[in-house]
Amino acid sequence: DGGITQSPKYLFRKEGQNVTLSCEQNLNHDAMYWYRQDPGQGLRLIYYSQIVNDFQKGDIAEGYSVSREKKESFPLTVTSAQKNPTAFYLCASSIVAGGELTEAFFGQGTRLTVV
Amino acid sequence: AQSVTQLGSHVSVSEGALVLLRCNYSSSVPPYLFWYVQYPNQGLQLLLKYTTGATLVKGINGFEAEFKKSETSFHLTKPSAHMSDAAEYFCAVSVNQAGTALIFGKGTTLSVSS
Repeated sequence: DGGITQSPKYLFRKEGQNVTLSCEQNLNHDAMYWYRQDPGQGLRLIYYSQIVNDFQKGDIAEGYSVSREKKESFPLTVTSAQKNPTAFYLCASSIVAGGELTEAFFGQGTRLTVV
Repeated sequence: AQSVTQLGSHVSVSEGALVLLRCNYSSSVPPYLFWYVQYPNQGLQLLLKYTTGATLVKGINGFEAEFKKSETSFHLTKPSAHMSDAAEYFCAVSVNQAGTALIFGKGTTLSVSS
């Protein structure tokens, strides 16, 4: 089945540690995105990538890093510089042709808790 | 810059009643508009979208929304609520331009009582 796979579903991290969230898609989409979700805040854009080896910061990129070495993979690293990392993280992908984003597909999310 | 405002963070209805979730957008160019639904601890599922053409858009599970340019609105409705509709709903906008991404509202939690 085609789709987006995020792993792990639940992740616990000690303060001061970096942690990497995995996102893989087999939809052959060019664009991929990372969003952070907090209660009452909606979804806020962390990073996005339109093509391999290129990515742009979103609204809340501080304390996060990404890579896009393969079309199907867009891992997110939450660094120790992120002061409040406990949240639900959602990965998405879409087709973007001529600047048109007509639909985004989401993974099931990773819930990160700092302990 | 584009933005989305969802009026009402929490809406409660009785089973069988009309569901109305409000969304207003701000965009300097014609937007694409979306409604997504999220169940607890899950990802987002697309309910419906407006890109071009007919302004009344029908989606899954009996939901529909109407794009009103003059009111900059894209409200979501369903004639008769079902218990299974209880979830969080997000309105989102994208603009046809390079480097685009979906911009989301803060969400509306729908509760359905029997």
